[in-house]
Amino acid sequence: QVQLQESGPGLVKPSETLSLTCTVSGGSLTNYYWSWIRQPTGKGLEWIGYIYYSGNTNYSPSLKSRLTMSVDTSKNQFSLKLTSVTAADTAVYYCARLLATAVPGATYNYHYIHVWGKGTTVTVSS
Amino acid sequence: DIVMTQSPLSLPVTPGEPASISCRSSQSLLHSNGYIYLDWYVQKPGQSPQVLIYMGSNRASGVPDRFSGSGAGTDFTLKISRVEAEDVGVYYCMQTVQGRTFGQGTKVEIK
Repeated sequence: QVQLQESGPGLVKPSETLSLTCTVSGGSLTNYYWSWIRQPTGKGLEWIGYIYYSGNTNYSPSLKSRLTMSVDTSKNQFSLKLTSVTAADTAVYYCARLLATAVPGATYNYHYIHVWGKGTTVTVSS
Repeated sequence: DIVMTQSPLSLPVTPGEPASISCRSSQSLLHSNGYIYLDWYVQKPGQSPQVLIYMGSNRASGVPDRFSGSGAGTDFTLKISRVEAEDVGVYYCMQTVQGRTFGQGTKVEIK
Protein backbone atom coordinates (compact mmCIF):
# COMPACT_ATOMS: atom_id res chain seq x y z
CA GLN A 1 0.00 0.00 0.00
CA VAL A 2 1.09 3.55 -0.66
CA GLN A 3 3.02 5.38 2.07
CA LEU A 4 3.97 9.04 2.30
CA GLN A 5 6.97 10.51 4.10
CA GLU A 6 7.55 14.21 4.66
CA SER A 7 11.10 15.54 4.89
CA GLY A 8 12.80 18.89 5.25
CA PRO A 9 14.40 21.26 7.76
CA GLY A 10 12.78 21.30 11.18
CA LEU A 11 13.87 24.88 11.82
CA VAL A 12 13.52 27.85 9.47
CA LYS A 13 14.42 31.46 10.16
CA PRO A 14 11.82 34.22 9.84
CA SER A 15 11.61 35.77 6.35
CA GLU A 16 13.28 32.71 4.80
CA THR A 17 11.75 29.96 2.63
CA LEU A 18 10.26 26.77 4.04
CA SER A 19 10.89 23.79 1.74
CA LEU A 20 9.39 20.35 2.25
CA THR A 21 9.35 17.19 0.17
CA CYS A 22 6.97 14.26 0.30
CA THR A 23 8.32 10.93 -0.92
CA VAL A 24 5.75 8.43 -2.15
CA SER A 25 6.46 4.72 -1.81
CA GLY A 26 4.35 1.75 -2.83
CA GLY A 27 2.62 3.64 -5.63
CA SER A 28 2.97 6.14 -8.44
CA LEU A 29 2.24 9.87 -8.53
CA THR A 30 0.49 9.39 -11.87
CA ASN A 31 -3.23 10.07 -12.07
CA TYR A 32 -3.51 11.34 -8.49
CA TYR A 33 -3.92 14.66 -6.72
CA TRP A 34 -1.43 15.35 -3.92
CA SER A 35 -2.00 17.73 -1.04
CA TRP A 36 -0.37 19.57 1.83
CA ILE A 37 -2.16 20.28 5.12
CA ARG A 38 -0.72 21.83 8.26
CA GLN A 39 -1.60 21.91 11.94
CA PRO A 40 -0.19 24.50 14.38
CA THR A 41 0.60 22.99 17.75
CA GLY A 42 -2.57 22.31 19.69
CA LYS A 43 -4.77 23.72 16.94
CA GLY A 44 -6.87 22.53 14.05
CA LEU A 45 -6.11 21.54 10.48
CA GLU A 46 -5.44 24.06 7.71
CA TRP A 47 -5.56 23.09 4.05
CA ILE A 48 -2.57 24.47 2.15
CA GLY A 49 -3.25 23.27 -1.39
CA TYR A 50 -3.04 20.42 -3.86
CA ILE A 51 -1.26 19.56 -7.08
CA TYR A 52 -2.12 17.09 -9.82
CA TYR A 53 0.63 14.80 -11.07
CA SER A 54 0.65 16.83 -14.31
CA GLY A 55 1.43 20.02 -12.38
CA ASN A 56 -1.96 21.73 -12.14
CA THR A 57 -2.35 23.40 -8.75
CA ASN A 58 -5.01 24.76 -6.40
CA TYR A 59 -3.76 26.85 -3.47
CA SER A 60 -5.35 28.25 -0.33
CA PRO A 61 -6.18 31.91 -1.04
CA SER A 62 -4.54 32.96 2.22
CA LEU A 63 -1.20 31.36 1.25
CA LYS A 64 -1.29 31.67 -2.53
CA SER A 65 1.06 34.65 -2.78
CA ARG A 66 3.84 32.80 -0.91
CA LEU A 67 3.26 29.24 -2.06
CA THR A 68 4.66 27.01 -4.79
CA MET A 69 4.02 23.30 -5.20
CA SER A 70 5.77 21.03 -7.65
CA VAL A 71 5.92 17.39 -8.69
CA ASP A 72 8.92 15.26 -9.67
CA THR A 73 7.56 12.04 -11.15
CA SER A 74 11.06 10.68 -11.80
CA LYS A 75 11.76 10.73 -8.07
CA ASN A 76 8.17 9.93 -7.01
CA GLN A 77 8.15 13.10 -4.94
CA PHE A 78 6.18 16.29 -4.64
CA SER A 79 7.25 19.45 -2.86
CA LEU A 80 6.14 22.61 -1.14
CA LYS A 81 7.89 25.97 -0.93
CA LEU A 82 6.53 28.72 1.31
CA THR A 83 8.36 32.05 1.19
CA SER A 84 8.71 34.86 3.73
CA VAL A 85 7.78 32.67 6.69
CA THR A 86 6.84 33.98 10.12
CA ALA A 87 6.14 32.35 13.48
CA ALA A 88 2.55 31.85 12.30
CA ASP A 89 3.85 29.24 9.84
CA THR A 90 5.12 27.04 12.68
CA ALA A 91 3.17 23.77 12.43
CA VAL A 92 3.15 20.08 11.73
CA TYR A 93 3.02 19.73 7.95
CA TYR A 94 1.26 16.70 6.45
CA CYS A 95 1.41 15.50 2.87
CA ALA A 96 -1.49 13.46 1.58
CA ARG A 97 -2.94 11.69 -1.45
CA LEU A 98 -6.45 12.32 -2.70
CA LEU A 99 -8.58 9.45 -3.90
CA ALA A 100 -10.93 9.86 -6.85
CA THR A 101 -14.46 8.51 -6.68
CA ALA A 102 -17.08 8.70 -9.39
CA VAL A 103 -19.82 11.29 -9.22
CA PRO A 104 -23.02 9.66 -10.54
CA GLY A 105 -24.10 11.25 -13.80
CA ALA A 106 -20.96 13.39 -14.09
CA THR A 107 -17.90 13.11 -16.31
CA TYR A 108 -15.58 14.16 -13.50
CA ASN A 109 -14.65 12.66 -10.15
CA TYR A 110 -14.86 13.73 -6.53
CA HIS A 111 -11.61 13.73 -4.60
CA TYR A 112 -11.11 13.26 -0.87
CA ILE A 113 -8.01 12.88 1.28
CA HIS A 114 -7.37 9.17 1.58
CA VAL A 115 -3.76 8.64 2.63
CA TRP A 116 -1.80 10.87 5.00
CA GLY A 117 1.86 11.05 5.89
CA LYS A 118 2.88 11.02 9.54
CA GLY A 119 3.69 14.72 9.47
CA THR A 120 6.84 16.73 10.04
CA THR A 121 7.25 19.57 12.52
CA VAL A 122 8.54 22.89 11.22
CA THR A 123 9.43 25.68 13.62
CA VAL A 124 10.01 29.23 12.43
CA SER A 125 12.39 30.93 14.79
CA SER A 126 15.62 32.89 14.74
CA ASP B 1 -13.75 32.07 1.53
CA ILE B 2 -16.18 29.55 2.99
CA VAL B 3 -16.08 29.43 6.80
CA MET B 4 -16.88 26.17 8.55
CA THR B 5 -18.22 26.27 12.12
CA GLN B 6 -18.46 23.15 14.26
CA SER B 7 -20.34 22.61 17.51
CA PRO B 8 -19.80 21.63 20.16
CA LEU B 9 -16.04 22.08 20.35
CA SER B 10 -15.88 19.52 23.16
CA LEU B 11 -18.13 16.50 23.50
CA PRO B 12 -17.95 14.16 26.51
CA VAL B 13 -19.59 10.87 25.59
CA THR B 14 -20.64 7.66 27.32
CA PRO B 15 -19.69 4.38 25.61
CA GLY B 16 -22.73 2.75 24.07
CA GLU B 17 -24.59 6.06 23.80
CA PRO B 18 -25.13 8.04 20.59
CA ALA B 19 -23.21 11.22 19.77
CA SER B 20 -23.73 14.00 17.26
CA ILE B 21 -21.50 16.77 15.87
CA SER B 22 -22.82 19.76 13.94
CA CYS B 23 -21.04 21.54 11.11
CA ARG B 24 -22.30 24.71 9.47
CA SER B 25 -20.92 26.41 6.38
CA SER B 26 -21.10 30.11 5.47
CA GLN B 27 -22.21 29.17 1.95
CA SER B 28 -24.14 26.26 0.49
CA LEU B 29 -22.10 23.12 -0.10
CA LEU B 30 -24.55 21.86 -2.71
CA HIS B 31 -22.65 21.43 -5.96
CA SER B 32 -24.35 22.08 -9.28
CA ASN B 33 -24.33 18.29 -9.81
CA GLY B 34 -26.75 17.91 -6.91
CA TYR B 35 -24.28 16.40 -4.46
CA ILE B 36 -22.96 17.73 -1.17
CA TYR B 37 -19.28 18.62 -1.13
CA LEU B 38 -18.37 17.90 2.49
CA ASP B 39 -16.04 15.40 4.15
CA TRP B 40 -15.58 14.28 7.76
CA TYR B 41 -12.20 13.31 9.24
CA VAL B 42 -11.08 12.11 12.64
CA GLN B 43 -7.68 12.59 14.20
CA LYS B 44 -7.13 10.04 16.94
CA PRO B 45 -4.56 10.83 19.64
CA GLY B 46 -1.03 10.78 18.28
CA GLN B 47 -2.15 9.90 14.76
CA SER B 48 -2.62 11.56 11.40
CA PRO B 49 -6.21 12.31 10.43
CA GLN B 50 -8.25 9.70 8.56
CA VAL B 51 -11.35 9.99 6.45
CA LEU B 52 -14.76 8.88 7.73
CA ILE B 53 -17.31 10.34 5.33
CA TYR B 54 -17.06 11.90 1.86
CA MET B 55 -19.64 13.75 -0.24
CA GLY B 56 -21.75 14.38 2.82
CA SER B 57 -22.99 10.88 3.51
CA ASN B 58 -20.74 8.24 1.96
CA ARG B 59 -18.75 6.13 4.39
CA ALA B 60 -15.16 5.60 3.32
CA SER B 61 -13.86 2.05 2.97
CA GLY B 62 -13.36 0.33 6.30
CA VAL B 63 -15.36 2.87 8.33
CA PRO B 64 -17.78 1.20 10.78
CA ASP B 65 -21.47 1.63 10.00
CA ARG B 66 -22.06 3.30 13.36
CA PHE B 67 -20.78 6.47 11.66
CA SER B 68 -23.17 8.38 9.43
CA GLY B 69 -23.21 11.78 7.75
CA SER B 70 -26.22 13.82 6.77
CA GLY B 71 -27.34 17.33 5.98
CA ALA B 72 -28.14 19.77 3.22
CA GLY B 73 -27.33 23.29 2.15
CA THR B 74 -25.30 24.74 5.00
CA ASP B 75 -26.15 22.44 7.94
CA PHE B 76 -24.53 19.05 8.38
CA THR B 77 -24.27 16.39 11.07
CA LEU B 78 -21.96 13.52 11.87
CA LYS B 79 -23.60 10.88 14.03
CA ILE B 80 -22.11 8.00 15.95
CA SER B 81 -24.92 5.57 16.77
CA ARG B 82 -23.12 3.90 19.68
CA VAL B 83 -19.85 5.40 20.80
CA GLU B 84 -16.94 3.08 21.45
CA ALA B 85 -13.79 3.89 23.42
CA GLU B 86 -11.74 3.84 20.20
CA ASP B 87 -13.79 6.75 18.81
CA VAL B 88 -11.96 9.23 21.03
CA GLY B 89 -10.31 11.96 18.99
CA VAL B 90 -10.86 15.28 17.23
CA TYR B 91 -13.44 15.30 14.45
CA TYR B 92 -13.23 17.77 11.56
CA CYS B 93 -15.62 18.64 8.79
CA MET B 94 -14.15 20.01 5.56
CA GLN B 95 -15.86 21.69 2.64
CA THR B 96 -14.66 20.87 -0.85
CA VAL B 97 -17.00 22.91 -3.04
CA GLN B 98 -14.65 25.93 -3.22
CA GLY B 99 -11.06 24.97 -2.47
CA ARG B 100 -10.91 23.26 0.89
CA THR B 101 -11.66 24.60 4.40
CA PHE B 102 -11.69 22.69 7.67
CA GLY B 103 -13.90 23.32 10.66
CA GLN B 104 -12.24 24.06 14.01
CA GLY B 105 -12.59 20.50 15.21
CA THR B 106 -14.69 18.80 17.89
CA LYS B 107 -12.88 16.91 20.62
CA VAL B 108 -14.70 13.72 21.58
CA GLU B 109 -13.70 12.23 24.89
CA ILE B 110 -15.08 9.57 27.18
CA LYS B 111 -16.93 10.78 30.28
